[in-house]
Amino acid sequence: EVQLVESGGSVVRPGGSLRLSCAASGFTFDNHGMSWVRQVPGKGLEWVAAINWNGGSTGYADSVRGRFTISRDNARNSLYVEMNSLRAEDTALYHCARDALYGGYDYWGQGTLVTVSS
Amino acid sequence: SYELTQPPSVSVSPGQTTSITCSGDNLGAKYACWYQQKPGQSPVLVIYQDTERPSGIPERFSGSKSGNTATLTISGTQAMDEADYYCQAWDISTRVFGGGTKLTV
Repeated sequence: EVQLVESGGSVVRPGGSLRLSCAASGFTFDNHGMSWVRQVPGKGLEWVAAINWNGGSTGYADSVRGRFTISRDNARNSLYVEMNSLRAEDTALYHCARDALYGGYDYWGQGTLVTVSS
Repeated sequence: SYELTQPPSVSVSPGQTTSITCSGDNLGAKYACWYQQKPGQSPVLVIYQDTERPSGIPERFSGSKSGNTATLTISGTQAMDEADYYCQAWDISTRVFGGGTKLTV
């Protein structure tokens, strides 16, 4: 069974940093690209960042480029996002999602909540 | 930055057919995906590559695309289909979501 379990969310002050993790199981992790997608409770989905199967290619939304860094450790079946210079507008539930081999995200984690507040 | 436009809400009577549109510049050159999200749950992929349905998704869900507008159609809509629906543009460098459409049955 495919499982994606996020962790690392917490309350952080504006300007602070946080690292989120996503533990993957039930599939061959290095066969798939992965992404982070966030959602403000009650609002829409926002793609945050993506990484290809070996970490050699990454992409970021304009809203986080230069502040967030996506990475992966295929030996640990884990996905990460390092978030710096956090702002109130970064407050959201952060999901990791698996790229389907044919496009789209076919599996999602339940998310970890990040709150940026003083 | 790239944007996709969806209607904020759509209403349908049970058993009827409904469609949700998604438009964006040059969407015709990208793939469109569609997701269903129910309250308190993570999104579920219901259409990929414009028209394809993942295994386990009911046949009443179908996708199409004409020019730069993608459409999700639900035939014989059921009460269980009431949810938020999001389109997504997908290519090698694009993963943008539309703003979402709340479907009321």
